[in-house]
Amino acid sequence: EADIYQTPRYLVIGTGKKITLECSQTMGHDKMYWYQQDPGMELHLIHYSYGVNSTEKGDLSSESTVSRIRTEHFPLTLESARPSHTSQYLCASSFGGYGTGELFFGEGSRLTVL
Amino acid sequence: EDQVTQSPEALRLQEGESSSLNCSYTVSGLRGLFWYRQDPGKGPEFLFTLYSAGEEKEKERLKATLTKKESFLHITAPKPEDSATYLCAVTSGNDMRFGAGTRLTVKP
Repeated sequence: EADIYQTPRYLVIGTGKKITLECSQTMGHDKMYWYQQDPGMELHLIHYSYGVNSTEKGDLSSESTVSRIRTEHFPLTLESARPSHTSQYLCASSFGGYGTGELFFGEGSRLTVL
Repeated sequence: EDQVTQSPEALRLQEGESSSLNCSYTVSGLRGLFWYRQDPGKGPEFLFTLYSAGEEKEKERLKATLTKKESFLHITAPKPEDSATYLCAVTSGNDMRFGAGTRLTVKP
């Protein structure tokens, strides 16, 4: 079982609110990722990090931001949520570099913006 | 651009009725093909990695195979607990591309 944790699991908020989705892993992985997943659609990478103080945008444009101050922690922030941000957000980590090894996923954070 | 297409989108089987899921891909230099299982409301869980054409891997009732253009996930005598969405992903080493998945339902 993967040791990667996401909170909150479910969040319903109003438009314009600032939210932070938390992600922590205890496996010591340098590489961490945020994916967005809508029902029946493929996962899309929105952010990734290869280590502390390293963050990059993924192939899907996102208005969210991320930070990586500690190896185990990779939070995602939306400064002003909109209904278009309603989605499932999945955090993942890997031992190898992106595209070279299996990903370990958290259980996801389902965000609904009213 | 790398592409992954999974078929069928949804599959309903009776318990014990064997079948196969397909993952067709185009990638510039395949470095690996991954299969994941995703239960409703959960994150994907890793099942297999295949690296080269002809490779096969098994785990309980699941067997994954790989050719130069596609991969199959064979499910032998499925049980209701095998119901889930099965995701396929490919990598060229710099990127990982996921398919939309096959939603499998196994009826008792």
